[in-house]
Amino acid sequence: NAGVTQTPKFQVLKTGQSMTLQCAQDMNHNSMYWYRQDPGMGLRLIYYSASEGTTDKGEVPNGYNVSRLNKREFSLRLESAAPSQTSVYFCASSEGFFGQETQYFGPGTRLLVL
Amino acid sequence: AQSVTQLDSQVPVFEEAPVELRCNYSSSVSVYLFWYVQYPNQGLQLLLKYLSGSTLVKGINGFEAEFNKSQTSFHLRKPSVHISDTAEYFCAVSPISGGYNKLIFGAGTRLAVHP
Repeated sequence: NAGVTQTPKFQVLKTGQSMTLQCAQDMNHNSMYWYRQDPGMGLRLIYYSASEGTTDKGEVPNGYNVSRLNKREFSLRLESAAPSQTSVYFCASSEGFFGQETQYFGPGTRLLVL
Repeated sequence: AQSVTQLDSQVPVFEEAPVELRCNYSSSVSVYLFWYVQYPNQGLQLLLKYLSGSTLVKGINGFEAEFNKSQTSFHLRKPSVHISDTAEYFCAVSPISGGYNKLIFGAGTRLAVHP
């Protein structure tokens, strides 16, 4: 039982390049999330998927797109990377979308945009 | 809207000493409260959460937290820390009404345990 997995672990991009961050969970969870973590700011929600087939914007969605490919997988795409998108990206999942539910986090992707 | 303030960005402490990590929140609606821990180069994992009932909540690894509604606080405590507790700790809230799981995190407190 791997939990939440993310690929790649590290990535360096040049300004204007595109990339997709992959996330998969094997816990049969319905809800999935993408966060970014910046020093001194905690984690901020980029996009979420309350259930398969739905996605919605979080606090900081500009410059990103997402796809809920199936119940297991939720990808995050940067169409034209900018230095301001240098961050650590975490994917998370939860069984449902109720406020009391625990979110389970992946190990993160460290992205540097030059 | 909700916001979370973690009052200390860094807390140095000696091994076997007690520690308290402070968290205050602001919200116009009732919230659930969480503490997550992030060990170096890992993702976050849940330490404990307050949903309802007793205001003293016990979590993993000997941590506990107390919910104080009048002071809108949810401070995390451990009576005796170990080197292995060195990590970053995040307080978070999620609104009860509306039935949605949107965590709002504080900026984090870096706990450094020294021998």
